[in-house]
Amino acid sequence: DVKVTQSSRYLVKRTGEKVFLECVQDMDHENMFWYRQDPGLGLRLIYFSYDVKMKEKGDIPEGYSVSREKKERFSLILESASTNQTSMYLCASISSGVAGGNEQFFGPGTRLTVL
Amino acid sequence: GDSVTQMEGPVTLSEEAFLTINCTYTATGYPSLFWYVQYPGEGLQLLLKATKADDKGSNKGFEATYRKETTSFHLEKGSVQVSDSAVYFCALSDRAGGYQKVTFGTGTKLQVIP
Repeated sequence: DVKVTQSSRYLVKRTGEKVFLECVQDMDHENMFWYRQDPGLGLRLIYFSYDVKMKEKGDIPEGYSVSREKKERFSLILESASTNQTSMYLCASISSGVAGGNEQFFGPGTRLTVL
Repeated sequence: GDSVTQMEGPVTLSEEAFLTINCTYTATGYPSLFWYVQYPGEGLQLLLKATKADDKGSNKGFEATYRKETTSFHLEKGSVQVSDSAVYFCALSDRAGGYQKVTFGTGTKLQVIP
């Protein structure tokens, strides 16, 4: 059974704290993604990685950084958490395909609250 | 760039009613199209997909046909159940600059009442 796991389902942090969100996939996928999901805005791409140690900015990278030291693990880092980063964070992975017809596999999400 | 537009929700239906959720897209290449579903408290999971024009994706009684001429991929189900209550996302996937790029719509919440 293929799986994407995220380190926490719920997280509460204080403003200014450094926050790490971890994601692990067991499908040997090349591409991994971090999204945030907010009501009325759908999924917005924060960062993605197409290979180990490679990263690309998505649509809303400000205030975030990422790390991909191993193929199966993709970490999202909030250097100094702020209240406007309170959100649901979703990790996903996808295999590289020639025609782009491969599906993304999602983790269960981490609901982060910044006080 | 690529974009996906889907109808705003929430959509409230009685059990056994017919469902349509509209989705249109713009893309520069030849994308694959997807519907994902998110049940309460869970991540997204693939519901169905179509990879080329005129393909029909189907799963669990849901269907959607890839219409290139109208750039649409509307989701339909003939008779919804309470268990179909969820948020539905239309998405497209394309290879751009060597990367697999996925673009999502904003999601449509469906509530089915008994």
